Amino acid sequence: KAGVTQTPRYLIKTRGQQVTLSCSPISGHRSVSWYQQTPGQGLQFLFEYFSETQRNKGNFPGRFSGRQFSNSRSEMNVSTLELGDSALYLCASSPYRGARHVEQYFGPGTRLTVT
Amino acid sequence: DQQVKQNSPSLSVQEGRISILNCDYTNSMFDYFLWYKKYPAEGPTFLISISSIKDKNEDGRFTVFLNKSAKHLSLHIVPSQPGDSAVYFCAASAQETSGSRLTFGEGTQLTVNP
Repeated sequence: KAGVTQTPRYLIKTRGQQVTLSCSPISGHRSVSWYQQTPGQGLQFLFEYFSETQRNKGNFPGRFSGRQFSNSRSEMNVSTLELGDSALYLCASSPYRGARHVEQYFGPGTRLTVT
Repeated sequence: DQQVKQNSPSLSVQEGRISILNCDYTNSMFDYFLWYKKYPAEGPTFLISISSIKDKNEDGRFTVFLNKSAKHLSLHIVPSQPGDSAVYFCAASAQETSGSRLTFGEGTQLTVNP
């Protein structure tokens, strides 16, 4: 089974621009979560989608948004980029909603650099 | 407010010896805990988990211990191998949270020397 894939792997954007990152979960997985990893804050939860609905949201400003499609693929968008948005963005999938007792499978991440 | 803390940013051990990675948490609502391993340029890989109804879970060379009264968990790797060198993250899930939201610690860089 193919793992979680994320595109692009690397991205350089300018402050004020917007960016869209894509995630394809493992086949059959319906829950997709997004995390931000930075050296100062570690891994922080952004949001989770299940059946095209956002089920959980972390403490991030409204500039961070996401969506999920009927095939479970997910995108996240960051508008009006700030230098502090430079980070590794990780996508993770799970087979079930409420899959707290099932491990999440992570993709390789998208490295976003904002200049 | 860092609800999950890994106080040791790095740990170095000799091949064949035991590696012990520690994690502390403050949120008493956490009832499920996981350990992930991360290599550079890769996403975290799930290692082992434990529910709060247990105090120990073992999988091969990996054992996780949970001390609920101390709000502390540890990961033991025996014997340690050079391929175990990676960043290890402790993560927790709260019972009041539906879905797959995990709260992570800052990570511990483990180096296993041949």
